[in-house]
This record gives sequence, C-alpha cells and structure tokens, in this order.
Amino acid sequence: GQQVMQIPQYQHVQEGEDFTTYCNSSTTLSNIQWYKQRPGGHPVFLIQLVKSGEVKKQKRLTFQFGEAKKNSSLHITATQTTDVGTYFCAGSGDGSSNTGKLIFGQGTTLQVKP
Amino acid sequence: ETGVTQSPTHLIKTRGQQVTLRCSSQSGHNTVSWYQQALGQGPQFIFQYYREEENGRGNFPPRFSGLQFPNYSSELNVNALELDDSALYLCATWTWDYGYTFGSGTRLTVV
Repeated sequence: GQQVMQIPQYQHVQEGEDFTTYCNSSTTLSNIQWYKQRPGGHPVFLIQLVKSGEVKKQKRLTFQFGEAKKNSSLHITATQTTDVGTYFCAGSGDGSSNTGKLIFGQGTTLQVKP
Repeated sequence: ETGVTQSPTHLIKTRGQQVTLRCSSQSGHNTVSWYQQALGQGPQFIFQYYREEENGRGNFPPRFSGLQFPNYSSELNVNALELDDSALYLCATWTWDYGYTFGSGTRLTVV
C-alpha cells in the first residue's frame, strides 16, 4: 500500500539555526498537506500543496512539492522556541483531498534550544 | 478552540469492553473523518462519513464502526477493546481554506 516516509525522526537545533524535514511517498500524490502538533496537542493544518514543483511561504516557513509529486519538504529559517513540535506531512493519492483518506508520515519532532 | 469538539477527553477501559467516542463541529460539516494516533506515530485513517454514510475506510477491523447523525455529529464505536487500541482518537472536518481541522482528541487507555 501507499507509504509516506519522513526524515529525520528527531532534530535538535540551537535557536536561530535552520531546520528542514523531508517527506517521500511511495506513489504519486494528488496533493500534500503539512501539519504541526505541539506536545500534548492535536495536529494543526499549516498548508496544502497541489501543483508539481509548487513552493509556498508562510513567514519563516517554506514548503516545496517535488516535480514528480512524490516528495515534499518543509524548511524553517532561523528557528524560534515557538517552533517546537512535531511536523507531519500527509498525502492524498486519490485525486481529492477532501474525500480521500490522508496518509500521514511518522513526523519529525523538532526541539529548539534557547 | 478548533470548532471541532470531542468527548470525552480521556477514558480508561478494560480489555474486552466497548467504547463510544463522540465528535461534533460548530459549522455542521457534512464530512467527518476519524483517525487513530498511537504514541509517537502519525495519525492513521480509520474511516470517513459523508451525509451519514461511510465513505472510505482504512485498514481497521470491523469492530471499529461509526455513525454520523443528521446534525453531522459523529460517533466512533470500538468493540472488544484490545491493549493496542490505546491511542489518541481524532476526528476531523474539512474545508478548502483550512484543510483538515482536528478536534483535541480523546485519549483512550485500555488496561
């Protein structure tokens, strides 16, 4: 079945350093979404990418969707302690992000040392 | 406040028992999805309901069942609980602007 892998599993950075997490799917995705989950919380939607090669920015966060629509990345510039949490990518392979199931990666947990 | 409310927040059950978890949304979305998140893992899709009918199912056994009501609130029922069913159970509604909006979840512990 379809699998979504994320690396690294954990990342510890000094405040101010950059951070990147990578997401790879075993099959072509119709879209990819990114979520952030704080410790003890629930996943919170960050963004959705739909087009091949798409790049979107949210302040210090940059999201990319690969040309083949099988991989994605999230890059955070100059991390802050508020960035702490687990970042999940989630892919949908059945053509519609609102009617098909999402396959989540196992997440990358980010720790930021002040 | 996410607009998606789940109850109860925490629950402890004994192996073999049955449990019902509940979900409601402020806006009455007609699609609701349920996910299971084991500790340290990403959420796994259980099933989705659209206009009171199951509209997609993940790799979960039949003892996981659900209901969606005319007011679009929803229930997840799990029969014959097993220790591995211990997890955070999340329901979610979808909008194009905000993607999936998850509730705060129900933390189920099976002992």
